[in-house]
Amino acid sequence: DTAVSQTPKYLVTQMGNDKSIKCEQNLGHDTMYWYKQDSKKFLKIMFSYNNKELIINETVPNRFSPKSPDKAHLNLHINSLELGDSAVYFCASRDSGNTIYFGEGSWLTVV
Amino acid sequence: RKEVEQDPGPFNVPEGATVAFNCTYSNSASQSFFWYRQDCRKEPKLLMSVYSSGNEDGRFTAQLNRASQYISLLIRDSKLSDSATYLCVVVVASGNTPLVFGKGTRLSVIA
Repeated sequence: DTAVSQTPKYLVTQMGNDKSIKCEQNLGHDTMYWYKQDSKKFLKIMFSYNNKELIINETVPNRFSPKSPDKAHLNLHINSLELGDSAVYFCASRDSGNTIYFGEGSWLTVV
Repeated sequence: RKEVEQDPGPFNVPEGATVAFNCTYSNSASQSFFWYRQDCRKEPKLLMSVYSSGNEDGRFTAQLNRASQYISLLIRDSKLSDSATYLCVVVVASGNTPLVFGKGTRLSVIA
């Protein structure tokens, strides 16, 4: 029943590794996002996709590469992980009334 | 001036108290406004939309002041379960423009 689901929920990995986070929404929304929430709890947008097309790419290192195979999926791949990448990454989708639905978050710890 | 600003708190209030949060926004073209709630180690969830005429949902009242560019959230008869971080969200225009989140105001309701 989960509307926006993302995996894995927890991820601990070493610096320099490459990792992916997957996201799927079953709400039929056209727009999906990746947000990053750091230790100071600030929720910042990273990417926005509309119907598989990249709409917004905020100032994010190009080690972060989103991929949307279809409008229900938006995955995030991170290359050469750094300590500063440790954060919670939230996938989200938006309905026509501008309500955002978040996934449960993926807690990434880089050691 | 930041796009969306909130007092981070924390607001520590006793059960039964009334507490109010304000949120200011910088873009006068902002069109839609929301309050989200985020519990510790959870994803943000929509609490309520904010309408121009103000709106109420049980113990919660949201108001918009376009002239002064702020929105407010009033919580009456606070419950322990109201303890959370409250995020102000502003949308500049409909379409693919992302919602801009404030940094949140932390509320602790104490027995």
